[in-house]
Amino acid sequence: DQQVKQNSPSLSVQEGRISILNCDYTNSMFDYFLWYKKYPAEGPTFLISISSIKDKNEDGRFTVFLNKSAKHLSLHIVPSQPGDSAVYFCAASPGQGAQKLVFGQGTRLTINP
Amino acid sequence: NAGVTQTPKFQVLKTGQSMTLQCAQDMNHEYMSWYRQDPGMGLRLIHYSVGAGITDQGEVPNGYNVSRSTTEDFPLRLLSAAPSQTSVYFCASSYTKSGNTIYFGEGSWLTVV
Repeated sequence: DQQVKQNSPSLSVQEGRISILNCDYTNSMFDYFLWYKKYPAEGPTFLISISSIKDKNEDGRFTVFLNKSAKHLSLHIVPSQPGDSAVYFCAASPGQGAQKLVFGQGTRLTINP
Repeated sequence: NAGVTQTPKFQVLKTGQSMTLQCAQDMNHEYMSWYRQDPGMGLRLIHYSVGAGITDQGEVPNGYNVSRSTTEDFPLRLLSAAPSQTSVYFCASSYTKSGNTIYFGEGSWLTVV
């Protein structure tokens, strides 16, 4: 039973345009959500997070939106840059800290020049 | 990934052999955990620890053993390796207080033949 789902295995976006990565979850107990970025042969690196008491969080080019009623979150990257090409994982936690994360399958983002 | 160190980076084992994946962090984090990543899947939690002397099971604990004798170290032991344990293993750590995120090591690639 996949509690966190990223239904798009891959996404290709032109440099300078907006990248939108989507994530759905099923467990109502999740109340802290994170996005991680992963390059090949490296560990995941933290990108941005959002608590369930918010519906939006921004950090530079990255914005995460949370729609609790739809159990959906999305990551917007604008403008997209070649260095953004990586696998992006959505993760959820049942507590306000980031322990016991449940991850989605990941979306491979490719930014084309 | 500064602060979380995993060794070895690559290892080939024969079925039935035992080994220990080492993990150390120098950030004085209370929380440490082990995840495995398999193709087409997100990271899955194996075991975690909220402090020295305290460990608990995650989503996929079978075949693995852990201990936490110090705050800094959290080794993962494979008692009798099986081909199903071929995977990439990631160690992670964080503070336990609300709002903090998990930082991952660079990964250990394990092949069981």
